[in-house]
Amino acid sequence: QPVLTQSSSASASLGSSVTLTCTLSSDHSGYIIAWHQQQPGKAPRFLMKIEGSGSYEVGTGVPDRFTGSSSGADRYVTISNLQSEDEADYYCETWDSHSWVFGGGTKLTVL
Amino acid sequence: EVHLVESGGGLVKPGGSLRLSCAASGFTFSDAWMSWVRQAPGKGLEWIGRIKSRIDRGTTDYAAPVRGRFIISRDDSKKTMFLQMNSLKTEDTAVYYCVRPPTTDVTPHWGQGTLVTVSS
Repeated sequence: QPVLTQSSSASASLGSSVTLTCTLSSDHSGYIIAWHQQQPGKAPRFLMKIEGSGSYEVGTGVPDRFTGSSSGADRYVTISNLQSEDEADYYCETWDSHSWVFGGGTKLTVL
Repeated sequence: EVHLVESGGGLVKPGGSLRLSCAASGFTFSDAWMSWVRQAPGKGLEWIGRIKSRIDRGTTDYAAPVRGRFIISRDDSKKTMFLQMNSLKTEDTAVYYCVRPPTTDVTPHWGQGTLVTVSS
């Protein structure tokens, strides 16, 4: 079963850019992952899927400030021109034939 | 537009049972694999189980903490998925989300969640 590792927290200033990282376990480095955003008190919302090639597909209504990329076992989401509403928890997720798994989540603070 | 609406949450005593429902609209429910994900207070997201579509034999898989206690089922005629939770423990206290999970070809969607509190 794959394992996903995320930093517990990140911070960046209003109007700047930040990149969050999700690392797949070594045996699963080619897997597709999904990123989800959870604003305080709300349900999670799908942001994008990212393939090992770096190709990504964003969800409906996701601003183009959110972009995805990949390098080896790492999957990234970059948020440009940070807004206050981007302050949230960000989770990555992947799956195999029998189960889905989430990373521990990264709490993003917008300064 | 996809909508997933959970219901059935509430307060239940340890050892008790509860059944959650998830009403779906905006997509062909009978073709969809569906999942339940939970989030304990102040904690991260935890996948708890999935049911495949009928054409894929409706197979279910569960995470270890709930296997043998929770049962996922579906009624395609009502576009509804269920989560039967038995032998509930205090550590099952969480918001339970109905999810159309991501796959290679499928974009995921989340419901708004329903709170289950297990307490004496």
